[in-house]
This record gives sequence, C-alpha cells and structure tokens, in this order.
Amino acid sequence: GAVVSQHPSRVICKSGTSVKIECRSLDFQATTMFWYRQFPKQSLMLMATSNEGSKATYEQGVEKDKFLINHASLTLSTLTVTSAHPEDSSFYICSATRLAGAPWTGELFFGEGSRLTVL
Amino acid sequence: QKEVEQDPGPLSVPEGAIVSLNCTYSNSAFQYFMWYRQYSRKGPELLMYTYSSGNKEDGRFTAQVDKSSKYISLFIRDSQPSDSATYLCAMSNTGNQFYFGTGTSLTVIP
Repeated sequence: GAVVSQHPSRVICKSGTSVKIECRSLDFQATTMFWYRQFPKQSLMLMATSNEGSKATYEQGVEKDKFLINHASLTLSTLTVTSAHPEDSSFYICSATRLAGAPWTGELFFGEGSRLTVL
Repeated sequence: QKEVEQDPGPLSVPEGAIVSLNCTYSNSAFQYFMWYRQYSRKGPELLMYTYSSGNKEDGRFTAQVDKSSKYISLFIRDSQPSDSATYLCAMSNTGNQFYFGTGTSLTVIP
C-alpha cells in the first residue's frame, strides 16, 4: 500500500523555539495533505488542509500564524510550530490522498505521527 | 448531530472471539468508507477501504457497508491479542473532506 512518512517521530524543544515536522508521500503524488492533532485517548482533530501550490485552509480555532503549513511539492508538506509553548505539546499526524486519474480512488493514508514535547 | 457516530467502547473480548465494530453516519452522499487501526502513539493504519455498498474481505477482516441504513461494520474473526488497538472509521464524499468516528478501543485478552 501507499506509504506516508513523517519525521521526526519525536521532538523535544524549549519553550519559544520553532519546530518543523515533515510529511512525505513516498510512492504516490499527493495533491492534498491533512494535518491533525491528537490528544491522549481522543480522536483526530483536523487542523488544516493543505493543497499543493496553494495556501492551507485552517480549521476554526487553529492559529495559522502559529502553525505554518507549506505544501511545496506533490510529495512534501511541512508543519512548523512557531514559538512553541508547553500547551502545544501533542501528537501531530499528517495524512495524504493519492493523486490518480479520474475517479479519485478514495483512500487516505496516514504518517506515523510526531510527538512534540515543549519544555 | 455528528456526521459520524462510533461507540468509543472500551470493548474487551477473549482471544479467538469474533469482534464487531460499527459506525453510523448521517450524510447520504458519503461513498468512500475506511477502517483504520491505531496502536498507541502511532499513526492510523489503513485496514480496509470500501467504495459504495457491499462487503469486502481481507484475511480475518470483513468490512460491510449498508448505505440504505447508513451503517458500516468491521468484523474481525479469530481475534488475536495483537488486534488490541483503537479502530477508527472514516468516510468521504469527494476526497476533500474526511469524517472520522471517535474510535473504539479494543482489547483482546489472551
């Protein structure tokens, strides 16, 4: 099956620093990537939808200046948590849909997730 | 009303049991239905994917979609301790938006 790689899997940083998380589709082109945040024992919370070559669409309540998303190519999207604070500590997960000839195949693949701890 | 409803459990079964996981939904336009397995501190792993109504089988897993009832199911036969995880259902209409259940926590007891 298609593979989505996310890096780093774990990161610990000091308060006030910025952290970048990468999401790559390894064997398919992804026109759309999604970024989620997940708290312990809770479901996925969609943060933003990222389309290649255009600005990300953020969900209500998500600060776009704090969570910078870039989708520069069909295989890479990045999430940068700027000026991170302890309340930003969480599990961040990306996902991607496969670009295919019409009709769209319908599958959504997830990365392995990145656990961010802000001290 | 939420787009997708899923009983969060937790669900505990003995090894070898048949497990039935379910989701209901409200949007009749959904056509793509997925089941994911998520282990603790890992990203969700796609288990089964179904387009429109019908059944799909893959090894010990069977996915069923009943669009008339807006109800989808995942059956796990001969459950194993390694099946212990959270199972998420997901669905979509166009691929621009995906809707997830809250996840059902499953424990298979040896």
